Amino acid sequence: DAKTTQPTSMDCAEGRAANLPCNHSTISGNEYVYWYRQIHSQGPQYIIHGLKNNETNEMASLIITEDRKSSTLILPHATLRDTAVYYCIVTGANSKLTFGKGITLSVRP
Amino acid sequence: GAVVSQHPSWVICKSGTSVKIECRSLDFQATTMFWYRQFPKQSLMLMATSNEGSKATYEQGVEKDKFLINHASLTLSTLTVTSAHPEDSSFYICSAGGPYKETQYFGPGTRLLVL
Repeated sequence: DAKTTQPTSMDCAEGRAANLPCNHSTISGNEYVYWYRQIHSQGPQYIIHGLKNNETNEMASLIITEDRKSSTLILPHATLRDTAVYYCIVTGANSKLTFGKGITLSVRP
Repeated sequence: GAVVSQHPSWVICKSGTSVKIECRSLDFQATTMFWYRQFPKQSLMLMATSNEGSKATYEQGVEKDKFLINHASLTLSTLTVTSAHPEDSSFYICSAGGPYKETQYFGPGTRLLVL
């Protein structure tokens, strides 16, 4: 599986958009970009995934660059409940997930 | 849709006993289930991958005789920690994926404390 690189942490103000970057320069053609988050002491929660095109659902938007070497997860209106560790993972469909350290997002009032 | 449950949510046991953890996909058929372990302040580590009706595939360093995995149906996988010891205390989390799904969905986790 391709390796991903994420900043260690970031914060944003409640109500503002949170843009979480991820680099995956070694991604291969059949690998998806997945985003999960883990709120303290809970199982990871699926957020969104994509292959080539940008994706949007009720939780977030995923912007993938044309060369697929990086992506950005966008939480359009962050709330305090969005404080969590966010994981960007690159792998094949329904394949095992390798979790790195993720990025800790802190949403401040 | 895509709900995964785990039971129990937490368990305390004595050293030397065995503990069974269940993982169920409630609204879809899971042909593949994964078991992870997470120690405090660390990330999730994959322990094994189980496919319905076949033997589980364990990650390097995970003792298959200690962590018994059974995936007997398309909605249920179990992890049994045999002869548990205090160092097995951890947060165990399962995930499930189905033939018509491109992603996995996680259960809420089971916290195990071995005294």
